Amino acid sequence: DAKTTQPPSMDCAEGRAANLPCNHSTISGNEYVYWYRQIHSQGPQYIIHGLKNNETNEMASLIITEDRKSSTLILPHATLRDTAVYYCIVRVVGGYSGGGADGLTFGKGTHLIIQP
Amino acid sequence: ETGVTQTPRHLVMGMTNKKSLKCEQHLGHNAMYWYKQSAKKPLELMFVYSLEERVENNSVPSRFSPECPNSSHLFLHLHTLQPEDSALYLCASSQERTVTNYGYTFGSGTRLTVV
Repeated sequence: DAKTTQPPSMDCAEGRAANLPCNHSTISGNEYVYWYRQIHSQGPQYIIHGLKNNETNEMASLIITEDRKSSTLILPHATLRDTAVYYCIVRVVGGYSGGGADGLTFGKGTHLIIQP
Repeated sequence: ETGVTQTPRHLVMGMTNKKSLKCEQHLGHNAMYWYKQSAKKPLELMFVYSLEERVENNSVPSRFSPECPNSSHLFLHLHTLQPEDSALYLCASSQERTVTNYGYTFGSGTRLTVV
C-alpha cells in the first residue's frame, strides 16, 4: 500500500470547518483513499473513502485532487466531540493485493483538537 | 455499538497466567483482525483471518495465539506475557473480496495490563 503523510496535529475552532490534509504521492491507480478517526482509548471509526471523485456522507466530505496525489477531509461544522486522531490510509479495495484480506496499516495520523 | 463486541473491556493478568480475549462480529463479514496499540504508538497489525484461515502473522511472539473457529468469532489466547505487552488490543472485521469495500469496523478494545 502507498505511504501517506499527514501533519501531526491541528487546531480548529468549534463550529468552523476542519480541513485535514493528506499527501499520497505514490498512490496507484487501483488504490482508494480511506479516512478513519480514533477518539481517545476507543477503536478507530470509519469515516469515508473515495477513488477519484469527491465524496460526501453524513460525517464528512472527501476532496481528492485531480492527480490523486493528495486529499483533504472536511468536517463541515466541527464540534468538541470531533477531537480525535484522524488517519488517512490508501489501499486496494477488497484486499486484492495478495488474493486475500490484508490488514490496514495505520500511521501516526493527525491529532485534531477542537477548541471551544 | 459498532457490531463488533470485545470482552473483557479490561484485564489485569500476571506474567504466569493464561487468559483469552474474545471478539464477536454481527455484521456478516468474512475477515477479522487483531491489532495492538501501545501507549502513544500507531496501531500494529498482529493477525489477519480471511474466511477463517490465518493469512497474515506479523512476526508476533508465540505467547500470543489466535483462534478463529468461525467467521463470527475470534480469540486471542495469552500466556506467559511480559509487562511490555500491556496495551489496548483491538479487534476489527471487514467484508473482503468485494467490489465495494466500506472499510473496517472496530470493537472498543480490551485494555490489558500485565503485572
